[in-house]
Amino acid sequence: GEDVEQSLFLSVREGDSSVINCTYTDSSSTYLYWYKQEPGAGLQLLTYIFSNMDMKQDQRLTVLLNKKDKHLSLRIADTQTGDSAIYFCAGNTGGFKTIFGAGTRLFVKA
Amino acid sequence: NAGVTQTPKFQVLKTGQSMTLQCAQDMNHNSMYWYRQDPGMGLRLIYYSASEGTTDKGEVPNGYNVSRLNKREFSLRLESAAPSQTSVYFCASTGQGVGNTEAFFGQGTRLTVV
Repeated sequence: GEDVEQSLFLSVREGDSSVINCTYTDSSSTYLYWYKQEPGAGLQLLTYIFSNMDMKQDQRLTVLLNKKDKHLSLRIADTQTGDSAIYFCAGNTGGFKTIFGAGTRLFVKA
Repeated sequence: NAGVTQTPKFQVLKTGQSMTLQCAQDMNHNSMYWYRQDPGMGLRLIYYSASEGTTDKGEVPNGYNVSRLNKREFSLRLESAAPSQTSVYFCASTGQGVGNTEAFFGQGTRLTVV
């Protein structure tokens, strides 16, 4: 089955770029997502990319997909303290089961 | 719109006690899910309901039961709580957006079993 791996922690300074990386095992994943979880809250979809795309840009967010290496990344430009959260990489093959990574906790230092 | 609402937000149980976690969504979504979140392990699917009247096991169903009461409501029951079930539980639903796979989550229930 699908497995999604990501590093657990990332610390950056305010104003710098953050890059959160993820690797997945199932090459048939149709949708790949980034969810954000703020303290005490549930997950919210931040952005997503279809498997037939290489890149997606959405304001300060850039998602890069390397299908050959099964690698997904999320770049946050000009990181702010409000970006401090846990970021989950997830994949779905179009069915009912979305597989989530363990989450990367992003610390932003002022 | 309230989205996905879970109750309670916090609960402490003694080993062996039972309880039901409630979840309701007002987005007219067909599919609903229960996940547990444990440190370093991400979200693991306990049970899901693809549509009203159906339920299926996820990755970690042992020790849990579910009921899809109607299209809006999906409850999770712990019949005899164990310390290993200490976790944060999230209900989610899907039905619109990103090919119907975007998940909308409740705020979570933090359960401690002592």
